[in-house]
Amino acid sequence: AQSVTQLGSHVSVSEGALVLLRCNYSSSVPPYLFWYVQYPNQGLQLLLKYTTGATLVKGINGFEAEFKKSETSFHLTKPSAHMSDAAEYFCAVSGASGGSYIPTFGRGTSLIVHP
Amino acid sequence: KAGVTQTPRYLIKTRGQQVTLSCSPISGHRSVSWYQQTPGQGLQFLFEYFSETQRNKGNFPGRFSGRQFSNSRSEMNVSTLELGDSALYLCASSSTGSDSYEQYFGPGTRLTVT
Repeated sequence: AQSVTQLGSHVSVSEGALVLLRCNYSSSVPPYLFWYVQYPNQGLQLLLKYTTGATLVKGINGFEAEFKKSETSFHLTKPSAHMSDAAEYFCAVSGASGGSYIPTFGRGTSLIVHP
Repeated sequence: KAGVTQTPRYLIKTRGQQVTLSCSPISGHRSVSWYQQTPGQGLQFLFEYFSETQRNKGNFPGRFSGRQFSNSRSEMNVSTLELGDSALYLCASSSTGSDSYEQYFGPGTRLTVT
């Protein structure tokens, strides 16, 4: 079984400030972890993923995330927020559980960026 | 490569009617998954098709069904529509390679049931 908890349904930051979106997961098998972004009236776009290897993962648009097994976390960060980063962000966990790689998504965090 | 396409983008139906949504995956992708997204329930997995066979199924009633064709295109059908079926329906495709667990999403079909 697998699950994802995203802490905070809304996160508000000022333009230029650090972005930190929190994600904790639960998985009975070694996890694959993902962050997706969704802009209004669009589908989900993959930001970054962790499968194996380096625990610090860099993605598109300046985002990165660090896999911490001991903390079962995969928090998303960006040093300096832009207005264009305002969107809904989803953390997801996947793993070969029963032969299925179907990911489980968190409830999402809405990032609000103030000028 | 062209991305995942979904048609139609918007749909308005009346309670009791049925609806069919279509999804064309990225060329070469053989797995297609469907999700329902609502403000209250978030992203919920409906089913996954691989090589024309349903491989995984979520916890939805039998009114929700799907199929996949030999060219990997997929359709989902919802019969006897209810008001609660109003949602954004997302389709996602995956390759069969080492990144098969990475999904590529279409823009979605916004279904409104009145």
